[in-house]
Amino acid sequence: QSALTQPASVSGSPGQSITISCTGTTSEVGSYNLVSWYQQHPGKAPKLMIYEGTKRPSGVSIRFSGSKSGNTASLTISGLQAEDEADYYCCSYAGSDWVFGGGTKLTVL
Amino acid sequence: VQLVESGGGLVKPGGSLRLSCAASGFTFSTYSMNWVRQAPGKGLEWVSSISSSSTYIYYADSVKGRFTISRDNAKNSLYLQVNSLRAEDTAMYYCARIGIDYYYGLDVWGQGTTVTVSS
Repeated sequence: QSALTQPASVSGSPGQSITISCTGTTSEVGSYNLVSWYQQHPGKAPKLMIYEGTKRPSGVSIRFSGSKSGNTASLTISGLQAEDEADYYCCSYAGSDWVFGGGTKLTVL
Repeated sequence: VQLVESGGGLVKPGGSLRLSCAASGFTFSTYSMNWVRQAPGKGLEWVSSISSSSTYIYYADSVKGRFTISRDNAKNSLYLQVNSLRAEDTAMYYCARIGIDYYYGLDVWGQGTTVTVSS
């Protein structure tokens, strides 16, 4: 049950695009198309942004997109806005367990 | 659609608590549920899962043998009995719904309940 690997921080200017990677192994990310992504603002509960690797829940901006290649999943945010500044976590179902990434702090410059 | 946790508090090492999560606005008995925790200033950590009818129960290695997840579908409630608490169990504990329409996404979260383990 080792955590998935995410960069500790990323940054971008308003209007730019950023990508956050999430690297796991064949035990979870590589074997299941069940990676999800969460946004968490300070003092708030996490919010589901992407599920099944690439799908967006109703109400989530189309600026958020997900992808996966092998053991690495990615979250891309296009047209960065100030309100996107938050912590982002990936998560993968692993057959019986769930594994989260360590989290990435997004700073909008 | 709402989840509301309760039962957290300050407890001495070795102590116990029972965390509760009250569900409303959806058919609770249809959904599997997770407990997820977050230590102060740290990331999210999966703690335990329970299937809709309690048939399947799983725990993170870090809590196995000390924590017990359960549910009462008649009361629309999820529970986490936490025993033999350690300083490293200090965290905000969230209950989260495992999505069906949003397949295996944690689509509804509570606001969390804080557990502090300290002498």
